[in-house]
Amino acid sequence: DGGITQSPKYLFRKEGQNVTLSCEQNLNHDAMYWYRQDPGQGLRLIYYSQIVNDFQKGDIAEGYSVSREKKESFPLTVTSAQKNPTAFYLCASQDAGAGANVLTFGAGSRLTVL
Amino acid sequence: QKEVEQNSGPLSVPEGAIASLNCTYSDRGSQSFFWYRQYSGKSPELIMSIYSNGDKEDGRFTAQLNKASQYVSLLIRDSQPSDSATYLCAVTLSGGYQKVTFGIGTKLQVIP
Repeated sequence: DGGITQSPKYLFRKEGQNVTLSCEQNLNHDAMYWYRQDPGQGLRLIYYSQIVNDFQKGDIAEGYSVSREKKESFPLTVTSAQKNPTAFYLCASQDAGAGANVLTFGAGSRLTVL
Repeated sequence: QKEVEQNSGPLSVPEGAIASLNCTYSDRGSQSFFWYRQYSGKSPELIMSIYSNGDKEDGRFTAQLNKASQYVSLLIRDSQPSDSATYLCAVTLSGGYQKVTFGIGTKLQVIP
């Protein structure tokens, strides 16, 4: 089955630690996205990537980093510079065929800072 | 002004009624419009997409787009308790590569 796999589902981090969230897709989509969701708020864009080896900052990129070495993979690192990292993180890939622009989401990763 | 605006709710409707969810957007050049449903603790799932003015129907769901008024809505007929969720409006703004921007979401409660 085609889809997006995010891991881990739950993650606990101590202050000052970097953590990396994994996102893998087998949908053959070119574009991939990372969003952050806080309680009572919508999805805010962290980073997005249109093609391999290229990515762009979204609205809240500070304290985060990404890489896109393979089409299938778009990992997100939450660095110690992110002051309030506790949130629900969502990875998505985009079907841009025929201008559809539809996003397909993974199940999400919930990060808690202890 | 926010790029995509929604009333956060909650919107409460009785079972069997029509639920009407509304969304406005600021970028007049926006091209693609989506409604996603998100259950608590889960990821969003696509309910409807609409790309041109008018109505688009899929089962109990109807999306309505009015580009002149910069307004998109979602109607849910014969609302069921299982429809209780947060509904996110999303828009692909003009400029940039198909970047999708979300509203805050409207929480819908269907009362049995």
